[in-house]
Amino acid sequence: ETGVTQTPRHLVMGMTNKKSLKCEQHLGHNAMYWYKQSAKKPLELMFVYSLEERVENNSVPSRFSPECPNSSHLFLHLHTLQPEDSALYLCASSPQEGGYGYTFGSGTRLTVV
Amino acid sequence: GESVGLHLPTLSVQEGDNSIINCAYSNSASDYFIWYKQESGKGPQFIIDIRSNMDKRQGQRVTVLLNKTVKHLSLQIAATQPGDSAVYFCAENNYGGATNKLIFGTGTLLAVQP
Repeated sequence: ETGVTQTPRHLVMGMTNKKSLKCEQHLGHNAMYWYKQSAKKPLELMFVYSLEERVENNSVPSRFSPECPNSSHLFLHLHTLQPEDSALYLCASSPQEGGYGYTFGSGTRLTVV
Repeated sequence: GESVGLHLPTLSVQEGDNSIINCAYSNSASDYFIWYKQESGKGPQFIIDIRSNMDKRQGQRVTVLLNKTVKHLSLQIAATQPGDSAVYFCAENNYGGATNKLIFGTGTLLAVQP
């Protein structure tokens, strides 16, 4: 275990469903991140939260909606997804300050059917 | 623009040999670098890091070398084992703004042949 826990590990959803991904960390970090990882592509940064405020949104479609209720929890709400949204969704956390690496969770493998 | 890229997308080595994975970065202002290992079905795991005031750092069986002159980073794995088979990512720290921003390379697949 890395200290960053993601649930569920696997998710299959239809295009009309609504689901949420959850990320939890108790490392004392105050920045959290959502990444999308598709086959044979680089990690794509989706959202950045720092001190519970969203500080970066990398042109992510509105069908992905993040939520950070406190510094330990991060959610990604999903609705009306497309098959091309199928990917591994990774959560990470870090200290807010520069000069530190990220700690990643194991990811949620999402399949949209 | 900023970019972190890898020279070799796939590296195949024999068990017991040493492996060298390379990475080029373009932001000369970056001063912190990290190597991650990602095994199948798992998230990236921290292996080793290095700050720009150093040119070499050693861990257990791994060594990271930093050449700031040519903006090059490498990861050396000694006596490569089957368990080392994974995708390896380099990342550079961009101190832009008030956030801790890492820029990741595309990854190199290391395949260890028995």
